[in-house]
Amino acid sequence: DAGITQSPRYKITETGRQVTLMCHQTWSHSYMFWYRQDLGHGLRLIYYSAAADITDKGEVPDGYVVSRSKTENFPLTLESATRSQTSVYFCASTEAANYGYTFGSGTRLTVV
Amino acid sequence: LAKTTQPISMDSYEGQEVNITCSHNNIATNDYITWYQQFPSQGPRFIIQGYKTKVTNEVASLFIPADRKSSTLSLPRVSLSDTAVYYCLVGDDQTGGYQKVTFGTGTKLQVIP
Repeated sequence: DAGITQSPRYKITETGRQVTLMCHQTWSHSYMFWYRQDLGHGLRLIYYSAAADITDKGEVPDGYVVSRSKTENFPLTLESATRSQTSVYFCASTEAANYGYTFGSGTRLTVV
Repeated sequence: LAKTTQPISMDSYEGQEVNITCSHNNIATNDYITWYQQFPSQGPRFIIQGYKTKVTNEVASLFIPADRKSSTLSLPRVSLSDTAVYYCLVGDDQTGGYQKVTFGTGTKLQVIP
């Protein structure tokens, strides 16, 4: 099915563990983004990518790593999860930077 | 990056027209204005985008005055299903600024029966 898919939908992990959130889009959009959403903060940009092998930091990149070896995939890795990274994570993509974004359904991550 | 300011919340009765205004005093020449809608437990959904004057689609209208320092999202005859958070974003792709734009906290619209 065409679209943008995030997995897993829900994840509980322990402090200090590495966890990877997956994002896959079927449109071959150049731009992809990772946001986190916390109560009282709206959505904050973690990382973005303008094309395969091109990534850059957003507003809150510390503790996160991304890669973009293929245009359609943009995984987000928490190298050593902390409780402050408990959040809802949204992936988005767009054809061009001044077009509207299409968001995935989100991953609710809980770090215990 | 142009910063946006929106009301935190608004209430409206069903069937009324709702106007949500966003201030962006530092908007740059190349910046577009984009609005998103977000329901609980879902990702934001693109509603409308404009550069100047008025833009209309099947969902909403976007009014942008000549100085472009503000914009107004207009939702005609709202229903209960329009209860959501609405975000205003400003950015462009010329300088890379748009890719780093943040959503802020948005405007929580509550539609009352």
